[in-house]
Amino acid sequence: GAVVSQHPSWVICKSGTSVKIECRSLDFQATTMFWYRQFPKQSLMLMATSNEGSKATYEQGVEKDKFLINHASLTLSTLTVTSAHPEDSSFYICSAQLRGTGISYEQYFGPGTRLTVT
Amino acid sequence: KQEVTQIPAALSVPEGENLVLNCSFTDSAIYNLQWFRQDPGKGLTSLLLIQSSQREQTSGRLNASLDKSSGRSTLYIAASQPGDSATYLCAARYGGATNKLIFGTGTLLAVQP
Repeated sequence: GAVVSQHPSWVICKSGTSVKIECRSLDFQATTMFWYRQFPKQSLMLMATSNEGSKATYEQGVEKDKFLINHASLTLSTLTVTSAHPEDSSFYICSAQLRGTGISYEQYFGPGTRLTVT
Repeated sequence: KQEVTQIPAALSVPEGENLVLNCSFTDSAIYNLQWFRQDPGKGLTSLLLIQSSQREQTSGRLNASLDKSSGRSTLYIAASQPGDSATYLCAARYGGATNKLIFGTGTLLAVQP
């Protein structure tokens, strides 16, 4: 149980184009989903927190107009990188918090999406 | 500022050795602490989660301890195997329902056959 998928697993796009990444909780409902990015040989940095049906909360330094997050349902959140540039190339990982988890608030992580902007 | 650091950054050991990975966090008001494994180019696999009220958790050859007062956690791996080679990340959870995970810098482990 508690499986999170991401699509696509990797994507190459040209500079200036937009890319959408999907994050789905396959066998549970997630009230909250999180988006992280990871540069090579570095740790995960939280980008934003999204709650179903409301606007995402972005971390300091993350451009909300560049990284559009939509959490339209309890099983799907999307991250759109708009007007992508080579410096946006990174590994993007989402996680989902099980609805009604209670005390542990454990997050379940997706397999990640490798974005390369040429 | 809430920061999590891990020492060492990289570790190479021969197969069969017991080893300890260290994690330190600056803000002791954690909700819980979690250890993850990450293989190259892959997502995260949760290994152990320790609630703030607990001292340790065990799963197979893995044992994680937590000392909130000193701001430290350790991950003990017994009888290491080449398949244990990966990057190990610890993450401190703050804020209860806010649920913000602060990740450590990671330890790259290589177990030599």
